[in-house]
Amino acid sequence: EPEVTQTPSHQVTQMGQEVILRCVPISNHLYFYWYRQILGQKVEFLVSFYNNEISEKSEIFDDQFSVERPDGSNFTLKIRSTKLEDSAMYFCASRDLAYEQYFGPGTRLTVT
Amino acid sequence: QQQVKQSPQSLIVQKGGIPIINCAYENTAFDYFPWYQQFPGKGPALLIAIRPDVSEKKEGRFTISFNKSAKQFSLHIMDSQPGDSATYFCAASKWNAGNMLTFGGGTRLMVKP
Repeated sequence: EPEVTQTPSHQVTQMGQEVILRCVPISNHLYFYWYRQILGQKVEFLVSFYNNEISEKSEIFDDQFSVERPDGSNFTLKIRSTKLEDSAMYFCASRDLAYEQYFGPGTRLTVT
Repeated sequence: QQQVKQSPQSLIVQKGGIPIINCAYENTAFDYFPWYQQFPGKGPALLIAIRPDVSEKKEGRFTISFNKSAKQFSLHIMDSQPGDSATYFCAASKWNAGNMLTFGGGTRLMVKP
């Protein structure tokens, strides 16, 4: 069964450093998403991406964040200058033309 | 307007019991209501979803009930098992270019043997 994969599973970084989180969506999917989940809290939408551009973003997704689909398979989330409050699980999701979004296993980002 | 409120925050049932988790929404533009199951350290896994043109949908032991006029929907787990112990999230979205999911706060379910 096809699945969304994410790397790394855990990333530790120092405050102010740049991080790139990587995702490989399900191969025939067209829409891509990043969500985050602070420990013990609900899942929050960050950004959606379709046809090589951002289609929607939340107020969390400020100028420190960017997304890219550098090739036909990868989808990345970059945080330019990490803050302590960026520590969270980051989930990538993808969907085809239907509504169903399928989530990856997540990357735990720890900012020290 | 964009919030989805979920209750209860936690729930303990005996094996074989029928836990019920409830969600309420405000935005009448929402037209897709999925439930996700999440185990510790894992990503949310799509369990079952409903559109507002039906009032109930059943898949295996999982049933969604939907009340459009009350703007509420709920998840019932029949014959619950210890393996169902997880956190359950309801969500909602509306059809647009982004189709972002708005999640409820989650319900931590424990099914005792």
